[in-house]
This record gives sequence, structure tokens and C-alpha cells, in this order.
Amino acid sequence: DTAVSQTPKYLVTQMGNDKSIKCEQNLGHDTMYWYKQDSKKFLKIMFSYNNKELIINETVPNRFSPKSPDKAHLNLHINSLELGDSAVYFCASSQDWQGREKLFFGSGTQLSVL
Amino acid sequence: AQSVTQLDSHVSVSEGTPVLLRCNYSSSYSPSLFWYVQHPNKGLQLLLKYTSAATLVKGINGFEAEFKKSETSFHLTKPSAHMSDAAEYFCVVSERGSGNTGKLIFGQGTTLQVKP
Repeated sequence: DTAVSQTPKYLVTQMGNDKSIKCEQNLGHDTMYWYKQDSKKFLKIMFSYNNKELIINETVPNRFSPKSPDKAHLNLHINSLELGDSAVYFCASSQDWQGREKLFFGSGTQLSVL
Repeated sequence: AQSVTQLDSHVSVSEGTPVLLRCNYSSSYSPSLFWYVQHPNKGLQLLLKYTSAATLVKGINGFEAEFKKSETSFHLTKPSAHMSDAAEYFCVVSERGSGNTGKLIFGQGTTLQVKP
């Protein structure tokens, strides 16, 4: 069983569209994250949630809106997609919101905005 | 403020020779330090972590890292490289202390190439 699963794996869309990426973890963790990896492989946190409560909200355009319906799910909705949003987006989970324990990563969603 | 610097963007070794991936960090408080590995088109996987216990940390697949506070370093080593070690490696710091939000800071990554 996949511990952290995100869908879709690939997402190709036009500028201006709205899209969502879904993430689910079956590890029983309270904390979930969204990371963005750019073309130079640099990883940066976007959001973290602990038990459905927003903990980290980095300087991310408000076109990006995370939603956590329960602690096993953290979805990412993106409005009015721009070319610069093209990247690989990783979902992750952890049993500790304070960054002391390992993160379990999904396999990533490669978003291409044309 | 915390930061992490991986000193080499690309390291190339021959199979069977030692691996050294260098990482320096900056932190106002006692840090937690991690090394993650990312194989092509995959998510990241934890290799090892340091959280103020033993300064020499052993991880998976024969990797280990030594926390040196005086040098603010956390270099990753492996005695003998295997072809399957070819991947991207990330050094990560998490700052502990007041106001800790659990934010992890990732280094820029080091690409490890292993030649037959």
C-alpha cells in the first residue's frame, strides 16, 4: 500500500485554467505538507497542516489554496494558472509538526502550464 | 535564521570508491538535520537524521553523516559507491526553539553520478 499518494502524476493545462491536486496518506499522521520543486530541483515548502489546522503558509500567491477535509487528506487547488506555476509538486506527511521526524513524500505531480 | 548550503552541485565517483557529499548549516538554535535522497521521477526518501543524540548518525544503504558543531557541518559519506546510489541528495535543517513551526529548509541538492 502506498503511504502517501497524490494524483494526478502528470498535469498539462493551459494558462488561466483552474486545477486541483489531491493527496492522501494512510500512515495516521497528523501533519501534511505541500512542497514545490522547481526546474533546478530546489524544494520549498508551501503549506503545512496539523490535524486540519494551517501551520505554515509561506509567501505563496493566493491563487494557491490548500484544503484539508480531514487529517488524512490535503488537496491543493490552483486558480488562474500561470506559466511560472510549472513545477513538480510534492505532498508529504509526518507524525511531528515541529520538523523533528522524517517526512514521507508522495511521488510528485508534474504540472506543466502551456 | 536557519540556512543550509550544499557545497557541491555535482559529484562524480567511480563504483566502489568512497562518497562524500558536503553540507554546512546555519542555525540559531539546536538544529535537527536530515539527508534525503531523490531518485529520478520519485519522491524523496529519508537517508538519516540527527536530533542531538550521537554525533555520528548511521542511515540506510550504508550511508552515514557526522554532526560537527564547531564546523557547522553535516557531511554525508559512504565507504563504497554503488550504481544504485546515483540520485539527487538533499541536506535539510529544521530549527528547534521558540517559535518553531516545523519549517524545513532544503539545500540546493547535490547530484551524485556513479561511473562503472
